[in-house]
Amino acid sequence: DIVMTQSPDSLTVSLGERATINCKSSQTILYSSNNKNYLAWYQQKPGQPPKLLIYWASTRESGVPDRFSGSGSGTDFTLTISSLQSEDVAVYYCQQYYGTPRTFGRGTKLEIK
Amino acid sequence: QVQLVQSGAELKNPGASVKVSCKASGYIFTSYALNWVRQAPGQGLEWMGWIDTNTGNPMYAQGFTGQFVFSLDTSVTTTYLQISSLKAEDTAVYYCARGNYYFDSWGQGTLVTVSS
Repeated sequence: DIVMTQSPDSLTVSLGERATINCKSSQTILYSSNNKNYLAWYQQKPGQPPKLLIYWASTRESGVPDRFSGSGSGTDFTLTISSLQSEDVAVYYCQQYYGTPRTFGRGTKLEIK
Repeated sequence: QVQLVQSGAELKNPGASVKVSCKASGYIFTSYALNWVRQAPGQGLEWMGWIDTNTGNPMYAQGFTGQFVFSLDTSVTTTYLQISSLKAEDTAVYYCARGNYYFDSWGQGTLVTVSS
């Protein structure tokens, strides 16, 4: 199974500041034939289902604010929130879909300082 | 718009069974797999497996074989998760989610509580 390791476990950032969450896969999730990274990011607020933010490592889902961006390739990936808003308080998960089973990181809890 | 609507919360005794439904609408049902994801209280997300909505073939992640069964009724665009021989550790929110790769639409979740 591909293990997804997120860091940090929790993060406290001031409003308007940048938040950065890292995700590392135990093997490459870059498919060489199409040069796509099989990685997604989700946001989960308390009492709600997860919401897709980013797929193919860097493609923003429709309706997601452009302060959210994804980057990285191969085994190392980053979700960046450029200017933290109060509504961004949530737990963020990365997920690989390169292989089965689909696997998630353990989550990063983002809070306001 | 795409919607996945799940059945309501369940409270079950240990050893009982439960069947959770997930009704899809707003898209061509057979175009996407439907996945099941478990979230134990205060924990992260765990992929249980998926069902191919074209063939009805399920795929189960390790740890979700035997006790868990995915099924389909295409006539009502609904997928089902049946859990038998329930134990306290099966207490969790169970989500259905659409997607062959990433999951772009999720049900609201069904809380299954196992307690005597």
